[in-house]
Amino acid sequence: AQSVTQLDSHVSVSEGTPVLLRCNYSSSYSPSLFWYVQHPNKGLQLLLKYTSAATLVKGINGFEAEFKKSETSFHLTKPSAHMSDAAEYFCVVSDRGGYNKLIFGAGTRLAVHP
Amino acid sequence: DAGVTQSPTHLIKTRGQQVTLRCSPKSGHDTVSWYQQALGQGPQFIFQYYEEEERQRGNFPDRFSGHQFPNYSSELNVNALLLGDSALYLCASDHRSRTEAFFGQGTRLTVV
Repeated sequence: AQSVTQLDSHVSVSEGTPVLLRCNYSSSYSPSLFWYVQHPNKGLQLLLKYTSAATLVKGINGFEAEFKKSETSFHLTKPSAHMSDAAEYFCVVSDRGGYNKLIFGAGTRLAVHP
Repeated sequence: DAGVTQSPTHLIKTRGQQVTLRCSPKSGHDTVSWYQQALGQGPQFIFQYYEEEERQRGNFPDRFSGHQFPNYSSELNVNALLLGDSALYLCASDHRSRTEAFFGQGTRLTVV
C-alpha cells in the first residue's frame, strides 16, 4: 500500500530565508507525487506534481521538489520565504490502482516570521 | 470558470441526525471524489463517483453514502451522525481521473 510521511508537523522560518518541507513516500511501484497547499478558509491548491518525468519539479510561487528514488523522498523547497507562504502543506501520493485516489500526509504547518 | 463549488460552507447538526452535502464539479469535469479532513489531519478519501456510480471507496462505514447526478454534480450523505464525524468535507473533481484534481473550499460540519 502506498503512503506518505511528512517528517515535520510544524516548520518556522524567517521571511527571506529558505524553506524545506520534508516528505518520504512508500510505494511498491513508481509513484505519482504531489504537493498541495491549504490556506485558512480556502481549498487545497496544487503546487506541483511528479509523474515520472524530470526528477526536479518546478511548481507555482517559486516552489520546487526533487524526487529521489534511492531515498524515497520528495522534499519541497523554496529559496526565499514570503509572508504569504504561511499555510498548511500536504505531501500526496496517487493510488496507482487508478482513478486518481489521493493519499495525503498529515501535513506540515509553515509559519513565516518577519 | 467557477471551479468546484460546495454547499453549504458551514453546518451544525445534532448526534443521530442525517446530513447532505453538495458539490458541483469544475466545468468539463465528470468525476467527483469526496474527502474527510478531521482537525489537524490530512484529508482522507471517502469515495469517488463516475458515470453516476460509486467507483472506489475508502475505509468509511456504510453511514456514508453518495450520489452523482447526470450533470456530474454530487451529494454526500451521512446518517446517524456521530461527534467524530465533525470535520471539513472536501470535494474534488477531475476529468476521467486523467487530469489534475481540483478541490472545493469544503463544508465544515460540526456535530454537537
